[in-house]
Parts: sequence; structure tokens; C-alpha cells
Amino acid sequence: DGGITQSPKYLFRKEGQNVTLSCEQNLNHDAMYWYRQDPGQGLRLIYYSQIVNDFQKGDIAEGYSVSREKKESFPLTVTSAQKNPTAFYLCASSLKVQLNQPQHFGDGTRLSIL
Amino acid sequence: AQSVTQLGSHVSVSEGALVLLRCNYSSSVPPYLFWYVQYPNQGLQLLLKYTTGATLVKGINGFEAEFKKSETSFHLTKPSAHMSDAAEYFCAVSQDGGFKTIFGAGTRLFVKA
Repeated sequence: DGGITQSPKYLFRKEGQNVTLSCEQNLNHDAMYWYRQDPGQGLRLIYYSQIVNDFQKGDIAEGYSVSREKKESFPLTVTSAQKNPTAFYLCASSLKVQLNQPQHFGDGTRLSIL
Repeated sequence: AQSVTQLGSHVSVSEGALVLLRCNYSSSVPPYLFWYVQYPNQGLQLLLKYTTGATLVKGINGFEAEFKKSETSFHLTKPSAHMSDAAEYFCAVSQDGGFKTIFGAGTRLFVKA
């Protein structure tokens, strides 16, 4: 079945540590996205990518980094510069970055601080 | 700038009762509108979308929504709630000239037996 796989499901970060969240899709979608979800705040866009080797900052990119070396993969690194990383992180993809295209979501990674 | 307002962070209905989840948007041009559902510890799933054409949109699981331009609304309804409908629902909007989809804060639906 086609879909988006996020791993791990739960992740713990120590002070000063960088952690990387994995996102893989087999939908052959061009566009991929990372969102952060906090209770009562909806989804906020961290980064998005329209094609391989290209990505753009979203609304809350500070303290995060991404890469897009393959069409299928869009990993997110939460760096030590992100002082409040505890949240639910969602990866999504769409056929294109076109506004009438719905997004398909993974099941998320919950990140907590140790 | 576009925005989305979902009225009511929590809505509670009895099983078999009408479900009405409210969404208002602001957009300077005709928008594209979406409703997504999220079950606990899962990602979002598309319920329905409005792009152009018929203003009454039917989605999965018996949900539908009506685009009302004069009221800048896109409320989600279901005639008869089922226990399995308990989840969080997000309204989202995007428009020409921008690349982003803006999500509302979400409405959590509780269904009482």
C-alpha cells in the first residue's frame, strides 16, 4: 500500500542533542512538508520541499533543518537551538505544491525532552 | 492574509444527533477549502475538499460541507453522529498567490452514548 512512513513513533531528546525524524513516502509525490502540532494550535509549517534538492522555510523554521536528497525521503533534524522541541511532528506529501492538491499525512513522531 | 477560524474547540453531541462543526475563513480571492480528521496519535486524513464547482461537497464517512461565499463559511455536517466519529477535525484553506495551506486550530468532537 502507498503511504507515508514516519519513524520513530516516540523520540526523546537530551539537552544539547540534535535528533533526526525520518519521513519516507512511496506515493511518487513531488512535494513534502513538515508540520509541528501543539495542543490547541493546529498545524504550523516548519519546512516544505517542491522537488529534490530544494526546500523552503515555513513559518517556524528556526532550530530545525531538513534535506531532500531523494524524492522519497525528507528527514527533519531538530537541533539544540530549538529550545522548546516537545511536540507532535507530522510529515505530509502532495502530488505537487498546488493549492487544490490535498496533503497525505504520516502517523507522526512525538518528541519529548529527557 | 488568509486565515481560518474554527468556532468551538470542543463540541459534544449524542449518538444519532446532528453534527455541525463551524469553519470561517478569510481570503481575498476564491479559496480552496479542506476538512481533515485526526484520530488520537495519528496523522490527518482528508474528509473532503472544495476547489471549484458545486458548493455542497460530499466526503467520506457521511460528512458533507457547504461553501458559502457570502458568509465566508465552510461548515462540516453529518446528519447522525456515530461513536466512531469522535476525533479532532481541522478546517484548512489555501488560495492562489500563496503556496501554503493554513490550518485552523481544530475542533474536538465528543460523541455520547
